[in-house]
Amino acid sequence: DGGITQSPKYLFRKEGQNVTLSCEQNLNHDAMYWYRQDPGQGLRLIYYSQIVNDFQKGDIAEGYSVSREKKESFPLTVTSAQKNPTAFYLCASNQGAGELFFGEGSRLTVL
Amino acid sequence: AQSVTQLDSQVPVFEEAPVELRCNYSSSVSVYLFWYVQYPNQGLQLLLKYLSGSTLVKGINGFEAEFNKSQTSFHLRKPSVHISDTAEYFCAVRASYNNNDMRFGAGTRLTVKP
Repeated sequence: DGGITQSPKYLFRKEGQNVTLSCEQNLNHDAMYWYRQDPGQGLRLIYYSQIVNDFQKGDIAEGYSVSREKKESFPLTVTSAQKNPTAFYLCASNQGAGELFFGEGSRLTVL
Repeated sequence: AQSVTQLDSQVPVFEEAPVELRCNYSSSVSVYLFWYVQYPNQGLQLLLKYLSGSTLVKGINGFEAEFNKSQTSFHLRKPSVHISDTAEYFCAVRASYNNNDMRFGAGTRLTVKP
């Protein structure tokens, strides 16, 4: 079945460490996205990529970085510069005007 | 830019009762509208979408929504809810010309009680 796979599902990080969240899709979608979800705030866009080797900042890109070396993969790195990284992170993809398809999410907790 | 306001953060309702989750949007251009559902610690799943055509849209799990352009609303309804409908519901809007800028509301927590 086609879909989006995020890993790990749960991740714990010490302050000052970088962590990378994986997102892989087999839907053959051109566009991929990373959202951050905090309680009571809905989803906020971190980065998105419309094609391989190209990506754009969303509303809250500071402290995050991404790469898009392959169509299927869009990893997100949460750097030590992110002041409040504890959150639920969601990866999504779409094709053209279609709706977003979401992965199951990764919950990051900073200890 | 587009924005979405979900008017209720929490909606408690008894099983088999009808429910309406309210969503208003703001935009100066034509829009596409979506409702998603999220169960605990999971991703979002599409319930229904309005792109064009009939303003009454039917989705999965017995949900429907009506696009009202004059009132800039896209309320979600279900005539009879089940315990399994307990979840977080998100309304989202996107300009029809921009595939990449989807804006989400803050969510409505629907709790169905026996």
